[in-house]
Amino acid sequence: KQEVTQIPAALSVPEGENLVLNCSFTDSAIYNLQWFRQDPGKGLTSLLLIQSSQREQTSGRLNASLDKSSGRSTLYIAASQPGDSATYLCAVRDNYGQNFVFGPGTRLSVLP
Amino acid sequence: ETGVTQTPRHLVMGMTNKKSLKCEQHLGHNAMYWYKQSAKKPLELMFVYSLEERVENNSVPSRFSPECPNSSHLFLHLHTLQPEDSALYLCASRTYRSAVGEQFFGPGTRLTVL
Repeated sequence: KQEVTQIPAALSVPEGENLVLNCSFTDSAIYNLQWFRQDPGKGLTSLLLIQSSQREQTSGRLNASLDKSSGRSTLYIAASQPGDSATYLCAVRDNYGQNFVFGPGTRLSVLP
Repeated sequence: ETGVTQTPRHLVMGMTNKKSLKCEQHLGHNAMYWYKQSAKKPLELMFVYSLEERVENNSVPSRFSPECPNSSHLFLHLHTLQPEDSALYLCASRTYRSAVGEQFFGPGTRLTVL
């Protein structure tokens, strides 16, 4: 059974810092991995989706990497801003089904 | 703003009430999902519908009853709920069996069971 973990559970950084969020999964037979952002009490907003054949995806200040063999993905946020404060979740879709397994999320606070 | 809408946004109900949550997607997707998000727990998949047929049910209690009348609409009928069912209920959609299959989420319904 696929299990997804995210470290750290919470992170607080000053504005302008570059930061890395980590996502680990136990079964490397994944189809793709998706990073989401969730603001308090709101739904999830898709940030990036990486196919299993890809090593990274970029969107603006965000860069997500995938190392399937080691069961890891990272989300790199450059030049962080207070508006980046949210919970970031990763979800993996495995090869056996059509559904995603979610990690518990990392709660990010960017201080002005 | 996403192409997935959910109503109501907030719901307070007693344990003996019957209510329904509604989800609608305007993205042309053919698969829809219900997730439950409780405090300090990862998102839990409840139901998956593809082409209006339920393809997965992760052993959710029978007091939750889904309905998918067409590919754009999804309901979650609630009856005799328990206080521990209080959570944020999220709907998502995607294109089933698509090579990419990115999920798009609605804003959620915050449910409180008294």
